[in-house]
Formats: sequence, structure tokens, C-alpha cells
Amino acid sequence: RKEVEQDPGPFNVPEGATVAFNCTYSNSASQSFFWYRQDCRKEPKLLMSVYSSGNEDGRFTAQLNRASQYISLLIRDSKLSDSATYLCVVNHNAGNMLTFGGGTRLMVKP
Amino acid sequence: DGGITQSPKYLFRKEGQNVTLSCEQNLNHDAMYWYRQDPGQGLRLIYYSQIVNDFQKGDIAEGYSVSREKKESFPLTVTSAQKNPTAFYLCASSMGQYQPQHFGDGTRLSIL
Repeated sequence: RKEVEQDPGPFNVPEGATVAFNCTYSNSASQSFFWYRQDCRKEPKLLMSVYSSGNEDGRFTAQLNRASQYISLLIRDSKLSDSATYLCVVNHNAGNMLTFGGGTRLMVKP
Repeated sequence: DGGITQSPKYLFRKEGQNVTLSCEQNLNHDAMYWYRQDPGQGLRLIYYSQIVNDFQKGDIAEGYSVSREKKESFPLTVTSAQKNPTAFYLCASSMGQYQPQHFGDGTRLSIL
């Protein structure tokens, strides 16, 4: 089993749709969780951290399920500008190293 | 503005040549990292450094070398031993354990 696993997609959705991505992780000792966004041929940028109680930032909601070892990202009212690859990132207990998932590609269509 | 600066943006390597990619940060972060990304793939860790004058190998360190003589700087050398160096190279830094990493805008390396 991969340490951090994501459905590569692509997820093709119309503008205004709600879309959700899941990401599973293998290490139950993982401490920190993040979602990054990466545009084509650009560097990853931090979208949001994921907290145990769940957190929301505008149209984006992140949740953590420790029992089932997955995190999720929900995007409401999708915009064309949301088209990107979304990377799930997990920090294990040892040191500062992050493990990146392979990413889920989202394409929002008019 | 605080941030991470990578240079050059594009780099071409001849056969048998070593090339060095620059990464400088003014965020006062202790930890710095180098990743490689191949087209359509995820990020793979090459080397990381948690403190000046100390660094550790990541998952794919063979054919690469680094130094960390200053807190602000973490250059990566792609040696001639790296037979398939064509990729997008990303440098990142973080404040500390459990903190998110912040990335530079990358260097694209190609073989001539």
C-alpha cells in the first residue's frame, strides 16, 4: 500500500458543481495533514491545513478521519479557476518530512 | 518580500557535466528540501536539511549532492552520475516539525 494514495482523476465537473476528493494514508502515527494545489508547470502552493475537527476556508472544506485514515477536500460552487491538481500531503512522526500523494486532477468546465 | 528563490528557471546539461541549481530563502526557516517531479508524477524527495551543516538523503539521492553552509542557501548539484536528470526540480523550506512547506517556483532541467 502506498503511503499516501489519491485517485488521479481527472474529475470533470461543470461550473457551480460540488466536488470532493479523498486521500488515504498508511501511517496511523501521522501528525499533520495538508492540501496543496498545483497548477500546470508551476510549484505546489499550500491550499489549507487539515485539522482534527475539520476546517473551512470559503468554498473549501477539509476533514480528517483518523479511524479510517483518510482526509478529504470538498469544493463547493466550483469555478473555472479551480482547475488544477490537488495534492494530499501527510507529515509523518519522524522529522519534518512530508509525503506527497500523486495528486488528483480537477477540470472545471463552463 | 519573504520567499524562496530558485535559479535558473531553465537549465540545460551536456553529457558528463555537473550542474548546480540554486535555492535561497529569506523566511528564516531551519529546514530545506529538494524534490524532483517528472511529468504527470508526484514529488519525490532528493535531499533535506534540518539545520546548517547537516543534511540527509531522501528517497532518490543517487546522482545528486547538496551542501548547507548557510541557513539561507541549499544548492543542489546534479552530477554526471544521474543518467536521467530531465525533470522539474523544486526547493522548499519549512519552519519546523509538522509545519507546511513553502516552495520556490522551480527549475526545469533538460539534457542537450
